[in-house]
Amino acid sequence: KAGVTQTPRYLIKTRGQQVTLSCSPISGHRSVSWYQQTPGQGLQFLFEYFSETQRNKGNFPGRFSGRQFSNSRSEMNVSTLELGDSALYLCASSRDDGYTFGSGTRLTVV
Amino acid sequence: AQKITQTQPGMFVQEKEAVTLDCTYDTSDPSYGLFWYKQPSSGEMIFLIYQGSYDQQNATEGRYSLNFQKARKSANLVISASQLGDSAMYFCAISIIQGAQKLVFGQGTRLTINP
Repeated sequence: KAGVTQTPRYLIKTRGQQVTLSCSPISGHRSVSWYQQTPGQGLQFLFEYFSETQRNKGNFPGRFSGRQFSNSRSEMNVSTLELGDSALYLCASSRDDGYTFGSGTRLTVV
Repeated sequence: AQKITQTQPGMFVQEKEAVTLDCTYDTSDPSYGLFWYKQPSSGEMIFLIYQGSYDQQNATEGRYSLNFQKARKSANLVISASQLGDSAMYFCAISIIQGAQKLVFGQGTRLTINP
């Protein structure tokens, strides 16, 4: 069965730009959550979507946003990029008690 | 709020030895799940093992077992017969079962297996 697909795998952006990351969950999974991983802060929860509704949001500024489509695919957007946004962004697809992660998108802001 | 504490930033183990990675947690919710993930240098998060708060027996998955001590709020991962391919970062995480799906992670332990 297909796993969680995140695109793109790598991205280099300039400060001030915006970026959109995509996550396609496992078929049948309706919950998608996003995480930011940095060496300094570790893994931090960004937000979670279920049936196109945001159910939970982490402690991140409003520049970080997301959405989920009717087919459960999710996107996250970061506007006005800052150097500190450089990180590995992971999404997880979940159903019941299991979480399956994608390979992540490594974003570098220069 | 939930919290995970992993007190071992790094561990070095000889190949074929068993290794225990420590994890303590804090939550006021009675119903929760505990997870262990492995993250190699490629960055992907690989699920290893899961323990529900109401599970009576410790979880096992092949060479992985979870030493769950609920009263101590401890969920240590035991890897038996370690292999060179086990070298990676290991994360313990907790999720509340009811409501929004969200994992709270510890800071991780970097495990290095020496030949």
